[in-house]
Amino acid sequence: EAQVTQNPRYLITVTGKKLTVTCSQNMNHEYMSWYRQDPGLGLRQIYYSMNVEVTDKGDVPEGYKVSRKEKRNFPLILESPSPNQTSLYFCASSLQGRGDTQYFGPGTRLTVL
Amino acid sequence: GENVEQHPSTLSVQEGDSAVIKCTYSDSASNYFPWYKQELGKRPQLIIDIRSNVGEKKDQRIAVTLNKTAKHFSLHITETQPEDSAVYFCAARGRGNEKLTFGTGTRLTIIP
Repeated sequence: EAQVTQNPRYLITVTGKKLTVTCSQNMNHEYMSWYRQDPGLGLRQIYYSMNVEVTDKGDVPEGYKVSRKEKRNFPLILESPSPNQTSLYFCASSLQGRGDTQYFGPGTRLTVL
Repeated sequence: GENVEQHPSTLSVQEGDSAVIKCTYSDSASNYFPWYKQELGKRPQLIIDIRSNVGEKKDQRIAVTLNKTAKHFSLHITETQPEDSAVYFCAARGRGNEKLTFGTGTRLTIIP
C-alpha cells in the first residue's frame, strides 16, 4: 500500500531533550517536506527536500534540522526543543516538486514541557 | 512570496444545504490550486484541485471555481452531509512551481 508513515505518533518531552521524528514513504517520491499545524495558522512548511542530499528551508525552519540520506526517509530533528515547538507535525511527499499534490503522513503530536 | 487568505474560518450549514469557502491569492503567476479536507484527528487529504487553464471543475457534490482576474478561487459543496464536517484548506502554487502555500483553514460543521 502506497503510504507515508511517521513515528512516533505522540510524544511528550521536556525542554532541551533532543528528539527525532521519522518519516518514510514507499512511493518513490522525490520531494518530501515537513509541516507544522497550529490552530488559526494552518499548515506551515518547516523544511523540504527536492531529492537525496538536497534540503532547503521552508517558512518556519528555526529550531529544526532535517536530513535526506535516502530517498524514502526524511527525519525531522529538534536539537533542543522548546515549548513553542509544541504542535502537530505532518510529513508529506510528492512525486516532483513543491507544488505537486502532497500526500500526508498521519501526523505526530508533540508536546514540549 | 505567495499569500493565501481563506474565509470564513468557521462555517455552519444545515444538512442538505450548500457550503462555499473562498480563498484569495497574491501571486498572479500561481497555476495550481488544490483543496484538502482534514477530518478530526486525521491527515489532510486532497479532495479536488484546479489548474489555471480552466475556470471550473466538478467531482460529484464538490466543485471548485477559479477567477484568475480577481485572484480568487472557491470550493462549493452541494447537498451537504454530516460526513462533510471537517476542516478544509485551500492552497496555491506560486511562481516557477515553487512552494505550495496553504490558507489557514475553514472548519465546516454540518447541522443535522
